[in-house]
Amino acid sequence: QKEVEQNSGPLSVPEGAIASLNCTYSDRGSQSFFWYRQYSGKSPELIMFIYSNGDKEDGRFTAQLNKASQYVSLLIRDSQPSDSATYLCAVLKAAGNKLTFGGGTRVLVKP
Amino acid sequence: GAVVSQHPSWVICKSGTSVKIECRSLDFQATTMFWYRQFPKQSLMLMATSNEGSKATYEQGVEKDKFLINHASLTLSTLTVTSAHPEDSSFYICSARPVTYSSYEQYFGPGTRLTVT
Repeated sequence: QKEVEQNSGPLSVPEGAIASLNCTYSDRGSQSFFWYRQYSGKSPELIMFIYSNGDKEDGRFTAQLNKASQYVSLLIRDSQPSDSATYLCAVLKAAGNKLTFGGGTRVLVKP
Repeated sequence: GAVVSQHPSWVICKSGTSVKIECRSLDFQATTMFWYRQFPKQSLMLMATSNEGSKATYEQGVEKDKFLINHASLTLSTLTVTSAHPEDSSFYICSARPVTYSSYEQYFGPGTRLTVT
């Protein structure tokens, strides 16, 4: 089992719809959780992070964390073609100061 | 805020030569910087963690004598690829964690694309 798992996609959503991305992790003691967006040929860009159970909203993005079930999700509302990218989930494990990344989910927003 | 730069953005070198890549945090201080490598259509692979003023910690399988890391100040870390070979061709990305981080967040530089001929 990988430490951080994501569906590779592509996740195809129509413009204006909600894109829902999921990420599961294996270390139950993980502390903090991050979502990065990476456009093709570019480096990752931090979208948001969450460390408490529940929802955290920032603009069109909402991160949801459920530590009991060991998953974190990202919702993108009113999806735009410019949201087409690979979204990386990253987890800070209980012991350590480095992030463990999932393989990423490719999202395609179609006009 | 939280801007990280890398130089050069791309470099082509001949097999057997060495290449130095610089990573700078422009508007914050970073005690910890990370170096990643990414091959096409693959996820990020952490190579090493570098702390200011101390030796870098390398991930398993990464040759410390081949990938030399120096973190001389709170705003600068360098990665030198020594005796480069074509299989070292990749996208190298650094990231930096602010001294005043709130939740271990880290910010990425734009990356350096290395091609070894």
